[in-house]
Amino acid sequence: EVQLVQSGAEVKEPGESLKISCKGSGYSFSTYWIAWVRQTSEKGLEWMGLIYPDDSDSRYSPSFRGQVIISVDKSISTAYLQWTSLRASDTAMYYCVRFIDRVEDSLDVWGQGTMVTVSS
Amino acid sequence: QSELTQPPSVSGAPGQGVTIPCTGSSSNIGANYGVHWYQQFPGRAPKLLMYDYTYRPSGVPDRFSGSKSDTSASLTITGLQAEDEAVYYCQSSDTRLSGPVFGGGTKVTVL
Repeated sequence: EVQLVQSGAEVKEPGESLKISCKGSGYSFSTYWIAWVRQTSEKGLEWMGLIYPDDSDSRYSPSFRGQVIISVDKSISTAYLQWTSLRASDTAMYYCVRFIDRVEDSLDVWGQGTMVTVSS
Repeated sequence: QSELTQPPSVSGAPGQGVTIPCTGSSSNIGANYGVHWYQQFPGRAPKLLMYDYTYRPSGVPDRFSGSKSDTSASLTITGLQAEDEAVYYCQSSDTRLSGPVFGGGTKVTVL
């Protein structure tokens, strides 16, 4: 079964750092683009950035460039989303998703989501 | 403000049909990118429902159909069933953002 399994929910304080993970299985992880998508009730679904595991080629949405870091360890089929200094506004559900083929295409596999809560 | 525009909600009685429009611009739908649709139930991740306007992944009932017109697309559910009550999102790609863009989501209520 093709799946993306994300790390568990996190509760952090403003200013703390955080790295959440997304492990792929059931397919050739290195050869499919992976994206991170944020979901909030206020703004809905927002693309944050994407990465190609085979060569770590990464691209960021203008809204998130400089705010997060996307990385990958293809040896363990795992992608990461990282913050160096969290803010309350980072409170959201985060999904890792797989592109069916090109980055212009649909997102055919979704992780179960990681809820991040940032509060003092 | 989402890049793609959807109505917040639509409703219909069981057995009826509903259509969800998704309006974009010349930098996304109008740039000939595909439009894809996702279904999300409360507490669950979105699931791919339709891709490239009209193609259904395996297991998606044929009461779901899609179409395109210039800078817009639509998802139609015919023969509405109680299990179709969910939030539906459209998605395309955008030349300005170099990545996916989403609609704000439409909640379908089965009366």
